[in-house]
Amino acid sequence: QVQLQESGPGLVKPSQTLSLTCTVSGGSISSGSYYWSWIRQPAGKGLEWIGRIYTSGSTNYNPSLKSRVTISVDTSKNQFSLKLSSVTAADTAVYYCARDGPTTVFDYWGQGTLVTVSS
Amino acid sequence: DIQMTQSPSSLSASVGDRVTITCQASQDISNYLNWYQQKPGKAPKLLIYDASNLETGVPSRFSGSGSGTDFTFTISSLQPEDIATYYCQQYDNLPYSFGQGTKLEIK
Repeated sequence: QVQLQESGPGLVKPSQTLSLTCTVSGGSISSGSYYWSWIRQPAGKGLEWIGRIYTSGSTNYNPSLKSRVTISVDTSKNQFSLKLSSVTAADTAVYYCARDGPTTVFDYWGQGTLVTVSS
Repeated sequence: DIQMTQSPSSLSASVGDRVTITCQASQDISNYLNWYQQKPGKAPKLLIYDASNLETGVPSRFSGSGSGTDFTFTISSLQPEDIATYYCQQYDNLPYSFGQGTKLEIK
């Protein structure tokens, strides 16, 4: 059974860079034709797809965030990561990582991690 | 970008009721639509994929239908554990996009 777990600082100062890591267990991040995505959800609001990465390193980003987002993968650690630069209070949200498969999108999710942007 | 419009935004129903939620895409997405259930403090859970296919382990009282731009999600007989917020999501085109959610409450 695939499991995903987000980790990283829960508090980030405005204008700084938010950095999160998603660790995949129960299978190799490189096996199968999977993309690995980041999704976020501000408190009491809906879901926003941030972007995804393939294990080859190929990425796709939401145009609304593209200028500030970098997603990377470390297959040796079975992890992929999110960096979001120049954060503001509007970036305060629960951040989820999820698997994006060739037949089923977002079938496995991490539990989510709350990131608050505040000085 | 494809906009997904869900209705209603909230819904109150009784145990045993048939519940229906609709989702409309701003352009044709074929059947590339998922439905998720999200309970407070939890990650979304995939219920329906490809508009009408039940994810493994999901009770058969949940169903989905539709194609093109108009989709429907149905709970045939509402159970207390179904209280949650439900989201549709298209994966026809990037960026992936979600509906705004339907909060389901027990009457």
